[in-house]
Amino acid sequence: DTGVSQNPRHKITKRGQNVTFRCDPISEHNRLYWYRQTLGQGPEFLTYFQNEAQLEKSRLLSDRFSAERPKGSFSTLEIQRTEQGDSAMYLCATAGFLISTDTQYFGPGTRLTVL
Amino acid sequence: TQLLEQSPQFLSIQEGENLTVYCNSSSVFSSLQWYRQEPGEGPVLLVTVVTGGEVKKLKRLTFQFGDARKDSSLHITAAQPGDTGLYLCAGGRIQGAQKLVFGQGTRLTINP
Repeated sequence: DTGVSQNPRHKITKRGQNVTFRCDPISEHNRLYWYRQTLGQGPEFLTYFQNEAQLEKSRLLSDRFSAERPKGSFSTLEIQRTEQGDSAMYLCATAGFLISTDTQYFGPGTRLTVL
Repeated sequence: TQLLEQSPQFLSIQEGENLTVYCNSSSVFSSLQWYRQEPGEGPVLLVTVVTGGEVKKLKRLTFQFGDARKDSSLHITAAQPGDTGLYLCAGGRIQGAQKLVFGQGTRLTINP
């Protein structure tokens, strides 16, 4: 399968713990996005990478959230000191080289539950 | 404030009926994407429309981008139970940003 992959698919953690999610993009896609989706809502943008550079961050991304894409391929999203309000589906999406193309392809998501 | 408003938010109809879902905004987008999402999964791309007035067909699904690139519609002909799901519209390139802006979704249920 050559689509976007995300791991783990599900994560249950206790409040205050740190969690890290991984996203592997479609091969040769240089643009990578993280979104968060809560129940009954559409996804909300968190952050954007072009190659290894993090070019945009949402105001939703508090200081407890950090994302990296060290070699311009896979990306990680870390949440420190998790809170119950962080419970959501975390989605990764990637897009190809053509900046004029807005189309993004999503992975299956990581469902986070904070107890 | 939701930049993209989808209507209706919920729709339950019988198999074989036709339906239309709307996606509206006061902002201009360079493109509009439609996705379908199953419970516990990520959104799956259905179509991208980029030109004002553009119409695209995907089997029984017809997508239209408004002339002013502020709105879009999805029409399903002869709906089938397999069409059940959450339909999301997403606007691209608002104010030059790279992100997609999503509507809140339309949850569609097709009853056999």
